[in-house]
Amino acid sequence: AQSVTQLGSHVSVSEGALVLLRCNYSSSVPPYLFWYVQYPNQGLQLLLKYTSAATLVKGINGFEAEFKKSETSFHLTKPSAHMSDAAEYFCAVSDNTDKLIFGTGTRLQVFP
Amino acid sequence: DGGITQSPKYLFRKEGQNVTLSCEQNLNHDAMYWYRQDPGQGLRLIYYSQIVNDFQKGDIAEGYSVSREKKESFPLTVTSAQKNPTAFYLCASSIVPGARTEAFFGQGTRLTVV
Repeated sequence: AQSVTQLGSHVSVSEGALVLLRCNYSSSVPPYLFWYVQYPNQGLQLLLKYTSAATLVKGINGFEAEFKKSETSFHLTKPSAHMSDAAEYFCAVSDNTDKLIFGTGTRLQVFP
Repeated sequence: DGGITQSPKYLFRKEGQNVTLSCEQNLNHDAMYWYRQDPGQGLRLIYYSQIVNDFQKGDIAEGYSVSREKKESFPLTVTSAQKNPTAFYLCASSIVPGARTEAFFGQGTRLTVV
C-alpha cells in the first residue's frame, strides 16, 4: 500500500531563509509524487509533480523537489522564503488505482 | 475558464438533517473524488468515481452517499448517520483512470453542525 509521511506539522522560517519541507513515501509500485499548497479556506493547488522523468522537479513560485529513491524521499525546497509562501503544504502519492494518498500536511510560517 | 465549482462555500446543518454538497466540473475529467479535511489529519478520501454511474467507497464512507449521473457532477450527501460531520470538504477531479495524473481541486465547502 502507498503512504506518505510528512515530518514536522509546523515549520517556521525567516523571510529570505531556505524552506525545507520533508516528505517520505512508501509505495509498492513506482511512485508518482505530488506537492500541493493550500491557503486558508481554499482548495489545493498543485506545486509540482514527479512522474518518473527527471529526479529534480521544478514547480511554481520557485519551489522544487528532488526524488531520492534510495532515501524514499521527496522533500520540497525553496532557496528564499517570501511572506506569501505562508500556507499549508501537502505531499501526496498516487496509488495504482489513481487515488491520491495525502500526508497530514505541514504548516509553513514565514516571519519578517 | 475550466475548473471545479463547489457550492455552497459555507453550510450549516442541524443535527439529524441530511445535507447535499454540490460539485461540478467543466474539465471533461472522467474521475472525481470527495475528500474530508480535519485539522492535523490531512485529506481523507470519502468516495470516488472513475466513470458515470459508478463509484467506490474510500476510507471513510460511512455516513455519506454520492451519485454520478452525469460526467460533470458528483454531489455528496452527508446523512444524519455521520456522527461528526463538521469539517472542510474538498471535491477533486482527474483526467482519466489509469493515468496517475494530478487531481484538480475545488475551493471547498465548510460544513458546520449547529
